[in-house]
Amino acid sequence: SQQGEEDPQALSIQEGENATMNCSYKTSINNLQWYRQNSGRGLVHLILIRSNEREKHSGRLRVTLDTSKKSSSLLITASRAADTASYFCATVISSGSARQLTFGSGTQLTVLP
Amino acid sequence: DTGVSQNPRHKITKRGQNVTFRCDPISEHNRLYWYRQTLGQGPEFLTYFQNEAQLEKSRLLSDRFSAERPKGSFSTLEIQRTEQGDSAMYLCASVTTSGRGGEQFFGPGTRLTVL
Repeated sequence: SQQGEEDPQALSIQEGENATMNCSYKTSINNLQWYRQNSGRGLVHLILIRSNEREKHSGRLRVTLDTSKKSSSLLITASRAADTASYFCATVISSGSARQLTFGSGTQLTVLP
Repeated sequence: DTGVSQNPRHKITKRGQNVTFRCDPISEHNRLYWYRQTLGQGPEFLTYFQNEAQLEKSRLLSDRFSAERPKGSFSTLEIQRTEQGDSAMYLCASVTTSGRGGEQFFGPGTRLTVL
């Protein structure tokens, strides 16, 4: 079963605008990651934030983590048409040794040229 | 290309047939994961290997599913007596335990269609 939900399920913006996606999860985590998936292609890792971190930046990406609310957000600034993809948050839970990823249901982002 | 590879990329089969998928991880990665993704959903964990040992299996992995990783290199996922509900994208990912402890490298997936 999915760890949590992402919001919104779909987002359509103009090129140059910022896109914000939210993710909620249910259990205590070791870290939270964001992945991108283009149509028909595999998942690509974007950014990882650990449970003791609150904010992280990578290029045009900014991710925040609020462990008290069990939520995270991904901000993509100055979006480009090439950013059109599905974005998934995925958590690694604190307990257990498997360290498997538990994914949300994703946000479909469309950036219009 | 030194990324994760999966074969075949697409598989169409009739209900009741057996299918086998292969995953070749990044060579120095000792952990290998299998996930299943259905349309409009995020991937769901099926099983993982540490070297050649299969250490954890999801309850999604019914008795019809079996996975192997002989010699701790490539892995195979076999589905016996396929059902229409098995139609999905099967993703493989690998990671090194000496890494940052999180990021997984995914292959392109095998899309299975059961008619």
